[in-house]
Amino acid sequence: DVKVTQSSRYLVKRTGEKVFLECVQDMDHENMFWYRQDPGLGLRLIYFSYDVKMKEKGDIPEGYSVSREKKERFSLILESASTNQTSMYLCASSPTGTTEAFFGQGTRLTVV
Amino acid sequence: LAKTTQPISMDSYEGQEVNITCSHNNIATNDYITWYQQFPSQGPRFIIQGYKTKVTNEVASLFIPADRKSSTLSLPRVSLSDTAVYYCLVGDLYNDMRFGAGTRLTVKP
Repeated sequence: DVKVTQSSRYLVKRTGEKVFLECVQDMDHENMFWYRQDPGLGLRLIYFSYDVKMKEKGDIPEGYSVSREKKERFSLILESASTNQTSMYLCASSPTGTTEAFFGQGTRLTVV
Repeated sequence: LAKTTQPISMDSYEGQEVNITCSHNNIATNDYITWYQQFPSQGPRFIIQGYKTKVTNEVASLFIPADRKSSTLSLPRVSLSDTAVYYCLVGDLYNDMRFGAGTRLTVKP
């Protein structure tokens, strides 16, 4: 089975901290995605990557950056966490040529 | 990017067939239609993908008319465990994975 693993299930950080959310997939997928999910807003795409060291902005990249140094790992970075970044963060991966993506369990981040 | 429109919520009863329609008027030639299911506190799960006409798998059917401006996800004989949010996505096969707000389906006993 495809496995997408997010490093933390729950995380509490202070305003202004630099936060790293890690995501690892074990199926050699080319594409990886970071979303945030807030009540009533569905999933919103933050960034995605279709290859190592490649990244593309999604719909809400402000306040975030990403890193993909290895194919299996895609990191989301909150440069200076703010309370409006309190959210559920979901990582996903998919192979090229399909829209079947596999999601991690999510990281619920609270910024206080 | 093709924008999708779905009903915000739907109610059904156990054993009924449920049809959820998604509108995507500006779908592009290279776009596929994909549906996901999401339970609370979990990531979305792929249900079905199609390009035109009808696609069926063990979980659902997807109906796509000739003009491809809409699609309908059909869930046969739903149970309480089908209560979830269902998302329709339209995009190409490479890296276009933008979700809308989804349809919250509630199945009642």
